[in-house]
Amino acid sequence: EPEVTQTPSHQVTQMGQEVILRCVPISNHLYFYWYRQILGQKVEFLVSFYNNEISEKSEIFDDQFSVERPDGSNFTLKIRSTKLEDSAMYFCASSVSAGNQPQHFGDGTRLSIL
Amino acid sequence: GQQLNQSPQSMFIQEGEDVSMNCTSSSIFNTWLWYKQDPGEGPVLLIALYKAGELTSNGRLTAQFGITRKDSFLNISASIPSDVGIYFCAGHYSGNTPLVFGKGTRLSVIA
Repeated sequence: EPEVTQTPSHQVTQMGQEVILRCVPISNHLYFYWYRQILGQKVEFLVSFYNNEISEKSEIFDDQFSVERPDGSNFTLKIRSTKLEDSAMYFCASSVSAGNQPQHFGDGTRLSIL
Repeated sequence: GQQLNQSPQSMFIQEGEDVSMNCTSSSIFNTWLWYKQDPGEGPVLLIALYKAGELTSNGRLTAQFGITRKDSFLNISASIPSDVGIYFCAGHYSGNTPLVFGKGTRLSVIA
């Protein structure tokens, strides 16, 4: 069964450094998402992306965050100047279309900011 | 923002027992989804519900979309050790809005 893949599985970065998290969505999916899960807490929406544009973003997704689809397969989340509170699991998801179509999640990248 | 209240927060059950967990909201949702998360992995979709009153099964799992559109439950029958994990409800409260997650129910199965 097709799946969303994410790399790296674990990223350790010094505070203030830039980090790029990578995702390969399911190949026939058109909508892409990033979510964050702080340890022990619920999954929180960050941003949705369609047709090379951000569709919607949450309050968490401030100016230090950006997303990009640099080629036909990858979808990236960049955090420009990391803070300690950015430490979390970051999940990528994709869906065939918008609205109520089920979103399928990758296994996540654990980001640790030192 | 919209919130989902999920209960119970955690459960300890004996292998073979049935389990029930639920999710409620003060607002109407038009889609309810149930995900399971194993340690170190991403949420895996179990069941998706699209219509009020809809009852859907996936093996030993059964979920229902409440008639009021403000709640959903997930039942697991005859639990086994591999059912251990965190179960999240999630939903869209209108057409293209982001997916909102509950805080999860941590299930432990004692063999």
